[in-house]
Amino acid sequence: GENVEQHPSTLSVQEGDSAVIKCTYSDSASNYFPWYKQELGKGPQLIIDIRSNVGEKKDQRIAVTLNKTAKHFSLHITETQPEDSAVYFCAAFPLMDSSYKLIFGSGTRLLVRP
Amino acid sequence: DVKVTQSSRYLVKRTGEKVFLECVQDMDHENMFWYRQDPGLGLRLIYFSYDVKMKEKGDIPEGYSVSREKKERFSLILESASTNQTSMYLCASTPDRGSSPLHFGNGTRLTVT
Repeated sequence: GENVEQHPSTLSVQEGDSAVIKCTYSDSASNYFPWYKQELGKGPQLIIDIRSNVGEKKDQRIAVTLNKTAKHFSLHITETQPEDSAVYFCAAFPLMDSSYKLIFGSGTRLLVRP
Repeated sequence: DVKVTQSSRYLVKRTGEKVFLECVQDMDHENMFWYRQDPGLGLRLIYFSYDVKMKEKGDIPEGYSVSREKKERFSLILESASTNQTSMYLCASTPDRGSSPLHFGNGTRLTVT
């Protein structure tokens, strides 16, 4: 079955710097890769997603890149702000799985220092 | 906006108690899920449901059961709570069975003593 590894587990950056979180997946048939942000006391919320027919997607200060050959995808946050501090989860959806089972990474705690 | 509401933010229960965690969504979504969140382990799927009265086991169903009597409500049941079930529990819903975004509730932090 699919396995998703996420690194780093914690990340501390200075406000204004960029942050990058990386994930690798094992199932080459996976075709959907969402990223969720979880703020303190709240449930995860989708911030950006990418499908396997696209290599990069941007939405303002966040972007996701996908390398299907290497089976890894990354979240890039530019010009970080204190409100970006949260836990971020990557996930992969294995196409060949007959049931809907989004597989999550273990999470990255991002701290943006003012 | 989709709203997924979990009935309790915090629960403290004793070992051996039967525990009910309730989740309601207001967008007529077909699919509902229960996840467990533990530090360093990410989100692990306990059970999910594609339709009323239908349920399927996720990756860690042992010690849990679920009930979906109405489309909007999905309940997680701990038949006999144990200390290793102390965790954050997250409910989610989505309209499509395929690759569409999950909408999460704010979670229930359960402590079993």
